[in-house]
Amino acid sequence: GAGVSQSPRYKVAKRGQDVALRCDPISGHVSLFWYQQALGQGPEFLTYFQNEAQLDKSGLPSDRFFAERPEGSVSTLKIQRTQQEDSAVYLCASSLGQGQETQYFGPGTRLLVL
Amino acid sequence: AQSVTQPDIHITVSEGASLELRCNYSYGATPYLFWYVQSPGQGLQLLLKYFSGDTLVQGIKGFEAEFKRSQSSFNLRKPSVHWSDAAEYFCAGQGGSQGNLIFGKGTKLSVKP
Repeated sequence: GAGVSQSPRYKVAKRGQDVALRCDPISGHVSLFWYQQALGQGPEFLTYFQNEAQLDKSGLPSDRFFAERPEGSVSTLKIQRTQQEDSAVYLCASSLGQGQETQYFGPGTRLLVL
Repeated sequence: AQSVTQPDIHITVSEGASLELRCNYSYGATPYLFWYVQSPGQGLQLLLKYFSGDTLVQGIKGFEAEFKRSQSSFNLRKPSVHWSDAAEYFCAGQGGSQGNLIFGKGTKLSVKP
């Protein structure tokens, strides 16, 4: 079937604006991860869901970042009152089970905050 | 703290030459290890992975990697590079119960004609 999809692919926001980034994981995948990739850096972990439960949000950089996966499939990462330092590529990944398994990545959403 | 290090930021090789990209890890126990490739504007594509067993693993596109516990390394190799291999390569480690990946900073590969 289809891979992981993300939308929008590109987002330009004015500083202070709220944004919502969507991730559609591979159907049936239990685990879903969000990563942030700053320019010239490797991806860094933000948060992890197992089905609808958010089991780890230790990587979220501030309380302006919020993620949800209410029905255990699609996930949304919301950033409130965006700042310039939020500019990055936001990657979503899913895996079939839990724990140490292969993660499959979406194409990412490139966010630019002006 | 757990970490993955890619010592080379940028490598340039001639087309047809061999390639080795370095990766070192620091974990309490041996993690699962991955190599991903990222082309400009694209997501991460899995090249290969090491979970256990044979320390030489084969991946897609003619890549292979060798796990060396004594050196805490998982270097990526290819015997003959093609121009289409130009991209950024990320090594990642995965440990613990939930499986979030820890990435190195990446190595950008340029290929000379």
